[in-house]
Amino acid sequence: KAGVTQTPRYLIKTRGQQVTLSCSPISGHRSVSWYQQTPGQGLQFLFEYFSETQRNKGNFPGRFSGRQFSNSRSEMNVSTLELGDSALYLCASSLVLGAAQETQYFGPGTRLLVL
Amino acid sequence: GESVGLHLPTLSVQEGDNSIINCAYSNSASDYFIWYKQESGKGPQFIIDIRSNMDKRQGQRVTVLLNKTVKHLSLQIAATQPGDSAVYFCAEKHLTGNQFYFGTGTSLTVIP
Repeated sequence: KAGVTQTPRYLIKTRGQQVTLSCSPISGHRSVSWYQQTPGQGLQFLFEYFSETQRNKGNFPGRFSGRQFSNSRSEMNVSTLELGDSALYLCASSLVLGAAQETQYFGPGTRLLVL
Repeated sequence: GESVGLHLPTLSVQEGDNSIINCAYSNSASDYFIWYKQESGKGPQFIIDIRSNMDKRQGQRVTVLLNKTVKHLSLQIAATQPGDSAVYFCAEKHLTGNQFYFGTGTSLTVIP
């Protein structure tokens, strides 16, 4: 079974621009979570989507948004990029039994550099 | 709020020795725990998990121990190899919850 895939793997943008990152979960996984990882802050939760609905949201400004499609693929968007948005953005997918997530499996991440 | 912390940010071990990486959590209601390994330039990789109805679980060269009394989790790596050098994260959640909480990570360096 293919793992979680993320595109693009690397991205360079300038301040003020916007960016869209894509995540394809493991086949059959309907929950997709997004995280921002920086050396100083570690893994920080952005949001989680299940059945095209955002179920949980971390403490990030409204510039960070996401969505999930009917095939469970997800995208996240960051508008008006700031230098501090430079980070590794990780997507993780999991099965959902009942309403609860099972084990999360991560993709390789998208490395975003904002200049 | 949730708090999942690691006792040591860095750990160096000699090749062939055993490694122990520790993790503390603050929410006594947490009942599902995962250890991840993250190598440089890669996403976190699932290593092993444990549910709160267990004290110990073993995998290939790895053992996770859970002490619910003191809310402590540890990962033991037997016969540590250079390929084990990475950052290790613990994560926890409520079994019926929808959000994982991650520790800050411990960087393991294996000395040949």
